[in-house]
Amino acid sequence: DVKVTQSSRYLVKRTGEKVFLECVQDMDHENMFWYRQDPGLGLRLIYFSYDVKMKEKGDIPEGYSVSREKKERFSLILESASTNQTSMYLCASSADRGLSPLHFGNGTRLTVT
Amino acid sequence: GNSVTQMEGPVTLSEEAFLTINCTYTATGYPSLFWYVQYPGEGLQLLLKATKADDKGSNKGFEATYRKETTSFHLEKGSVQVSDSAVYFCAQSSNYKLTFGKGTLLTVNP
Repeated sequence: DVKVTQSSRYLVKRTGEKVFLECVQDMDHENMFWYRQDPGLGLRLIYFSYDVKMKEKGDIPEGYSVSREKKERFSLILESASTNQTSMYLCASSADRGLSPLHFGNGTRLTVT
Repeated sequence: GNSVTQMEGPVTLSEEAFLTINCTYTATGYPSLFWYVQYPGEGLQLLLKATKADDKGSNKGFEATYRKETTSFHLEKGSVQVSDSAVYFCAQSSNYKLTFGKGTLLTVNP
C-alpha cells in the first residue's frame, strides 16, 4: 500500500529557530509537494518538486525553502520560524503531473511560539 | 488564475439524509477535477475524480459530474452515514498543480 510518512506529528519551536520538516514516500513517485492547511483557507501549495534536486515555488513560498537530494525524500525548511508559520503542514506525492491522485501524509502540526 | 470555490460549512445532517456540496471552478483550458476527503486526524485521500466534461466520478456512494457548461463538480450522496463525517475538498488539476477549495466540514448525526 502507498505510504507517505512525515517525521513528526507535532512540533513546537521558538521564533527564529531553523525548522526542518521531513517527508518520505515509498512509492518511487517522481512528484512531491508541500502544502499548509489553515482554517478558512484550505490547502495552499508552498513548494513542489518533479525530480531529484529540482524544485518549484508554489503559491506561498515566502519564508520557506525545500531540499530534494533523494527521490523518496522531500524536506521543507523554515529558515527562521515566525508565529505566522504556525500551521498544519501536509506532504504529498504523485506518480505523474496532474492526473494521478495525490497521496498525503498525516500531517505535522507546527506551533511557533 | 485558476481557483476552486466550494460551499462553506459546516454542514450538519442526520443519518440517511441527502448530501450536496457545491463546487465551481475557474480555469484556462480543461482541468481534471477531484474530491478529496480528510477524516479526523488524517491526511487527505482521494474520494473520486473526473478528467473530462460529462464524466461522472463515483466511490463509496458519492458521485460528482464534470459540468463544463456550468464549470461545476458538485458532490452528492443519497444517504449519508455517521462514518461520512469529515472535511471534503474540491480540487482541480491544471498547469501540473492541484488547486484546492477551502474545504467543507460535514457532520452526520445518528
